[in-house]
Amino acid sequence: KAGVTQTPRYLIKTRGQQVTLSCSPISGHRSVSWYQQTPGQGLQFLFEYFSETQRNKGNFPGRFSGRQFSNSRSEMNVSTLELGDSALYLCASSPREGGNQPQHFGDGTRLSIL
Amino acid sequence: QKEVEQDPGPLSVPEGAIVSLNCTYSNSAFQYFMWYRQYSRKGPELLMYTYSSGNKEDGRFTAQVDKSSKYISLFIRDSQPSDSATYLCATSNAGGTSYGKLTFGQGTILTVHP
Repeated sequence: KAGVTQTPRYLIKTRGQQVTLSCSPISGHRSVSWYQQTPGQGLQFLFEYFSETQRNKGNFPGRFSGRQFSNSRSEMNVSTLELGDSALYLCASSPREGGNQPQHFGDGTRLSIL
Repeated sequence: QKEVEQDPGPLSVPEGAIVSLNCTYSNSAFQYFMWYRQYSRKGPELLMYTYSSGNKEDGRFTAQVDKSSKYISLFIRDSQPSDSATYLCATSNAGGTSYGKLTFGQGTILTVHP
């Protein structure tokens, strides 16, 4: 069974640009969550999608957005990139939504802002 | 104060040692507890998942939860060099407004030397 797939693996952008990251969940999983990982702040929750609806959002500015498609694939978008957005962006999937669902992570997209 | 506190280490042990990794949490609403292992340049890999106080064993790994003390532990028996990684504890609520949100500790860097 294929795991969570994230593309691209690495991305270099400059300040002010925007970026879109993609996540394909494990087959049959319908909930997708996104996290930002940095050395200083660790893993922080961005948002969670289920049935194409954002169900929960972390404490990030509105420049961070996402969506989920009918096949459960998800994308996240960051507009007007800032140097502080440099991070590893991780996607996780679970069969259903809810805190009782263990989440399985992809290997992330490493975003570097110049 | 972070909701989940984890000693970042680093922790260095000889091969064959018993490793003890620990986290404390402050939110009584946390009901589910997970341990993840993250190798360099990879996403977190789910090791253990539990929702009750007590012990859960899986091979060389034992997860322990004490809800009265808000304390969670991971023990690794007969540690191997391949166990060298960052270990992350994570918690989640049963539901409510926290759908899909995992709260992570900072991670402990473990090195097992031959």
